[in-house]
Amino acid sequence: DVKVTQSSRYLVKRTGEKVFLECVQDMDHENMFWYRQDPGLGLRLIYFSYDVKMKEKGDIPEGYSVSREKKERFSLILESASTNQTSMYLCASRSRGQNTEAFFGQGTRLTVV
Amino acid sequence: GENVEQHPSTLSVQEGDSAVIKCTYSDSASNYFPWYKQELGKRPQLIIDIRSNVGEKKDQRIAVTLNKTAKHFSLHITETQPEDSAVYFCAASPDDGFQKLVFGTGTRLLVSP
Repeated sequence: DVKVTQSSRYLVKRTGEKVFLECVQDMDHENMFWYRQDPGLGLRLIYFSYDVKMKEKGDIPEGYSVSREKKERFSLILESASTNQTSMYLCASRSRGQNTEAFFGQGTRLTVV
Repeated sequence: GENVEQHPSTLSVQEGDSAVIKCTYSDSASNYFPWYKQELGKRPQLIIDIRSNVGEKKDQRIAVTLNKTAKHFSLHITETQPEDSAVYFCAASPDDGFQKLVFGTGTRLLVSP
């Protein structure tokens, strides 16, 4: 059974804090993604990584950074959390190949107060 | 970059009716189009996908059609059941060397008994 696991289901952080969201996959996938899910806006791509130490900006990278030191782990970092970053964050992984399925983590609901 | 539009945002049907969700994409180089279902409180999961060299694909009560010329694709659910109630996302995968998925804004389907 394939697994993408996010470290926290719920997080509450204060404005200005540095926040780390962790994601681990056990499928040896090359590609990993961080999406943000907001009502009416769908899934918006923040950052993605196609290999260890490689990263690319998605559509909404401002205020975020990422780290991929190991193939199975992809971290999303909020450098200085703000209230407009309150959202559901979804990690996904996908193997190489144009027609492959993406597998999602269970999501982390982050509230910044 | 790729942009995916999805309609309607909400759809209410009676059990047994059919439901159709439509998406349009902007990048003619996109060649893979999956559909994900997200039940309340759960992660998105792939329900069906279609490649650009195929016009239609069916899996029991669900089907997807693709019109490459018009750059739109649709999800069809027949004989809807209450357990089909969920948020459905369409996506497109640009052929840019990165295996990212660009998602639509989602459709909330409600099937009433």
